[in-house]
Amino acid sequence: GENVEQHPSTLSVQEGDSAVIKCTYSDSASNYFPWYKQELGKRPQLIIDIRSNVGEKKDQRIAVTLNKTAKHFSLHITETQPEDSAVYFCAASIRGGADGLTFGKGTHLIIQP
Amino acid sequence: NAGVTQTPKFQVLKTGQSMTLQCAQDMNHNSMYWYRQDPGMGLRLIYYSASEGTTDKGEVPNGYNVSRLNKREFSLRLESAAPSQTSVYFCASSPTGHNEKLFFGSGTQLSVL
Repeated sequence: GENVEQHPSTLSVQEGDSAVIKCTYSDSASNYFPWYKQELGKRPQLIIDIRSNVGEKKDQRIAVTLNKTAKHFSLHITETQPEDSAVYFCAASIRGGADGLTFGKGTHLIIQP
Repeated sequence: NAGVTQTPKFQVLKTGQSMTLQCAQDMNHNSMYWYRQDPGMGLRLIYYSASEGTTDKGEVPNGYNVSRLNKREFSLRLESAAPSQTSVYFCASSPTGHNEKLFFGSGTQLSVL
């Protein structure tokens, strides 16, 4: 089955700086890659997703890039703000596949004032 | 518009006891999912239901059963709880199916003693 590795497990950045979280996946058939944000004690919420026919997608201060050849994808957050502090999860799946989303283990992003 | 509603929010069981986690969504989604979240493990799929009347096993189905009661409701049952089932359980639904754009409930924190 699919295996998703996520790095780093903890990331501390100064407010206003950029943050990058990286994930690799093992199954070349995977074609859907979402990112979820989970604040402490809250539910995961989808913040951005990308399909394998697209190399990059942006939504205001967040962007995701995908390298299918290398089987890795990354989340980029620019101009970080205190409300960006949370745990971020990447995931991968085969659209329409029977196995569901495979999640990475999460990155705890800390925004230092 | 409540989204995805889970009950209970907290539960403590003794080993061997049974219980049912309830989940309901009011967004007219076809697909519903049950995930468990353990520290440092990300989210893992227990069972899912692609549409009313169908259910399928996910990555970690052992010790659980599910029922898709109707389009709105998807319940998770632990027949004989074990300490290894201590976890936070999230129900989710998807407007598109195919594991995409999941909307999560607020979670159930379950402890099995």
